Amino acid sequence: QKEVEQDPGPLSVPEGAIVSLNCTYSNSAFQYFMWYRQYSRKGPELLMYTYSSGNKEDGRFTAQVDKSSKYISLFIRDSQPSDSATYLCAMNMQGGSEKLVFGKGTKLTVNP
Amino acid sequence: ETGVTQSPTHLIKTRGQQVTLRCSSQSGHNTVSWYQQALGQGPQFIFQYYREEENGRGNFPPRFSGLQFPNYSSELNVNALELDDSALYLCASSPRGGNYGYTFGSGTRLTVV
Repeated sequence: QKEVEQDPGPLSVPEGAIVSLNCTYSNSAFQYFMWYRQYSRKGPELLMYTYSSGNKEDGRFTAQVDKSSKYISLFIRDSQPSDSATYLCAMNMQGGSEKLVFGKGTKLTVNP
Repeated sequence: ETGVTQSPTHLIKTRGQQVTLRCSSQSGHNTVSWYQQALGQGPQFIFQYYREEENGRGNFPPRFSGLQFPNYSSELNVNALELDDSALYLCASSPRGGNYGYTFGSGTRLTVV
């Protein structure tokens, strides 16, 4: 079993839709959870960062972490064509190496 | 404030050759990590440098090596290139001690033929 599982999609939605992206993980030691957006031929860009369980909102983006279920989500409201990208979840542990463990990424297309 | 810059952007090498990739970290960041991203995959951790010392290594063979310089810039060296080394190599920097997320560069696309 991979440490972090993420459905690679692809996911195609109409403009204005609510998008839900998810990851599951197996290592209960993970404490920090991140979502990155990666446009084609670019490096990942940090979107959201969450410590432990709970919700975090930033504009049209909401990140949720459920440590009891080892499940994290990213919601995008009022999706725009400019949101079309690959979304990567990532996580790491408190203390020790600051190695990030990534999911495979979900490719999202928002159609005008 | 500048971000993370990597050079070169693209590179084609022959199997068996050696390659050096370079990274300048974001201002104020003293920790540099390197990741390999194969096509259609998430980035895989290669290693991390802090204060010019290796601070953690992923599941990569010794022919992957690195350096960090006093100005926090870094190099990734790969010897005896194999076809499977073809990937996007990403450099990420962060302030030490804060799991605040990393700033990534745009990467170096390496093709081994």
